[in-house]
Amino acid sequence: EVQLVESGGGLVKPGGSLRLSCAASGFTFSSYSLTWVRQAPGKGLQWVSSISSTGTYIYYADSLRGRFTISRDNAKNSLYLQMNSLRAEDTAVYYCARIDYNNCFDYWGQGTLVTVSS
Amino acid sequence: DIQMTQSPSTLSASVGDRVTITCRASQSISRGLAWYQQKPGRAPKLLIYDASSLKSGVPSRFSGSGSGTEFTFTISSLQPDDFATYYCQQYNTFTWAFGQGTKVETK
Repeated sequence: EVQLVESGGGLVKPGGSLRLSCAASGFTFSSYSLTWVRQAPGKGLQWVSSISSTGTYIYYADSLRGRFTISRDNAKNSLYLQMNSLRAEDTAVYYCARIDYNNCFDYWGQGTLVTVSS
Repeated sequence: DIQMTQSPSTLSASVGDRVTITCRASQSISRGLAWYQQKPGRAPKLLIYDASSLKSGVPSRFSGSGSGTEFTFTISSLQPDDFATYYCQQYNTFTWAFGQGTKVETK
């Protein structure tokens, strides 16, 4: 069974940093691209960043490039999102998801809540 | 970036109704469109990919159509479990973008 479990969310002050993790199991991790999607409270889904299976190719939403960094460790079956210079508008549930061979997000984690507030 | 415009934002319907949601892309995305269902407090669930291909295990009352810039998502006969928010998503380029979502609520 495919499982994705996010962790690392919490309360952080504006300007602070946070690193999210996503632990994967139930599939060949190194064969799939992965992605982060966020959802602000009561709002819609926003794509954040994606990374190819080997980590060679990395893509970011224009509005987030420069503050967020996606990475992965295929030996640990883990995906990461380093978030710096956090702002109140970054408050959201952050989901990791697997990208299938059709470039869709076929499996999702349960999400981790990031709250940016003083 | 490609922008996705979804309508309506809210749809009131009854069990048994036929429900249709529209999604427009700001430029052609061929058939690179997916539809997701999300229920409160839950992660989204992939229903349809490549504009009209039903993901395995998804009931056949869900369908999609379209290509280029105009896409449609249909629930042929709304069931109690279908009250949720639906999102379109483009994946034609190496960026991904969601529509604003359509909340299907009880009339």
